[in-house]
Amino acid sequence: ILNVEQSPQSLHVQEGDSTNFTCSFPSSNFYALHWYRWETAKSPEALFVMTLNGDEKKKGRISATLNTKEGYSYLYIKGSQPEDSATYLCAFSLTSYDKVIFGPGTSLSVIP
Amino acid sequence: DTAVSQTPKYLVTQMGNDKSIKCEQNLGHDTMYWYKQDSKKFLKIMFSYNNKELIINETVPNRFSPKSPDKAHLNLHINSLELGDSAVYFCASSQAPGGDYGYTFGSGTRLTVV
Repeated sequence: ILNVEQSPQSLHVQEGDSTNFTCSFPSSNFYALHWYRWETAKSPEALFVMTLNGDEKKKGRISATLNTKEGYSYLYIKGSQPEDSATYLCAFSLTSYDKVIFGPGTSLSVIP
Repeated sequence: DTAVSQTPKYLVTQMGNDKSIKCEQNLGHDTMYWYKQDSKKFLKIMFSYNNKELIINETVPNRFSPKSPDKAHLNLHINSLELGDSAVYFCASSQAPGGDYGYTFGSGTRLTVV
């Protein structure tokens, strides 16, 4: 059974703090790693898709890195804002035709 | 215009009934999916279609049957509904099966079986 793990499960930070979360996945085979932002009562929204070892992607204050050899990805949020409060999901696929397996998510609350 | 739209948004029905959830995408994507959000909030893949062809069929009860009349539509029909089927069901689409550019999700259908 392939599992995607995320840590921490939940996180509370003060507005302005920078934070990061981890996604761990099996490193034996790898095709793509996704990060999604999921606000309450909305649908998950894609942030990044990374396919190459060493990939780094950035969107505004949010960035992500990928290490396929050791099987982890980090998501960083610089200067957290209340509107960043959401659950951040990572997801991974083994091949181009395989299912994308989602992790349990990290729930972030940014306190004003 | 909503990119991936699901109907209905809410569905309350009695045990034993048969119901359908519809999904349509206007993104021109080739691949569509049904995911179930379980009680622990995990998103679990149920089915995936690529150009109307079933490519992923996870271990779900055969009371669940997907149908893709064309690549822009993927409907989910559920027979003989059970209490345990209560969940939020999400439809999604992507340009290619591996989700190279990420998935676009619908807003979900909250199914409650009473």
